[in-house]
Amino acid sequence: KAGVTQTPRYLIKTRGQQVTLSCSPISGHRSVSWYQQTPGQGLQFLFEYFSETQRNKGNFPGRFSGRQFSNSRSEMNVSTLELGDSALYLCASSRDRGLYEQYFGPGTRLTVT
Amino acid sequence: SQKIEQNSEALNIQEGKTATLTCNYTNYSPAYLQWYRQDPGRGPVFLLLIRENEKEKRKERLKVTFDTTLKQSLFHITASQPADSATYLCALDPDNYGQNFVFGPGTRLSVLP
Repeated sequence: KAGVTQTPRYLIKTRGQQVTLSCSPISGHRSVSWYQQTPGQGLQFLFEYFSETQRNKGNFPGRFSGRQFSNSRSEMNVSTLELGDSALYLCASSRDRGLYEQYFGPGTRLTVT
Repeated sequence: SQKIEQNSEALNIQEGKTATLTCNYTNYSPAYLQWYRQDPGRGPVFLLLIRENEKEKRKERLKVTFDTTLKQSLFHITASQPADSATYLCALDPDNYGQNFVFGPGTRLSVLP
């Protein structure tokens, strides 16, 4: 069974631009979560989608948004990029909500210059 | 305030010894707790999940304990090997089944040959 895939793997953007990251969960998984990982703040929860609905949102500004499609694939968007948005963005899928392990993708390394 | 801490940022041990990593949390009442392994440049990999009514969980050379009175989880790797060198993260869901995971800062384990 294929794992979680994320595209692109690396991205360089300029301040003020916007970016869209994509995540394809494991087949059959319905919950998709997004995380930001930085050396200073560690792994921080961005949001979670289940059945095309955002179920939870972390403490991030409104510039960070996402969506989930009917096939469970998910995208996240960051508008008006800031230097501090440089991070590894990780997507994780799980079969359902609750007592299910999360399977993480390899991440997208975003650099904002 | 709520926080989740892991005992040390880095831990060095000799091959063959048992590594013990600690995860402490404050002002949470998790119904379960998870442990992940993360290698540099890659997404975390799920290792073990332990419920609040389980005192101990084992998987091959790994053992996890969960003490809700002490608000602490211990993660043990017995007969450690250099291949066990990685960062280990604990995570809990403050909403219990809300998929809103909070991760600890991680402990970077180095197993020396």
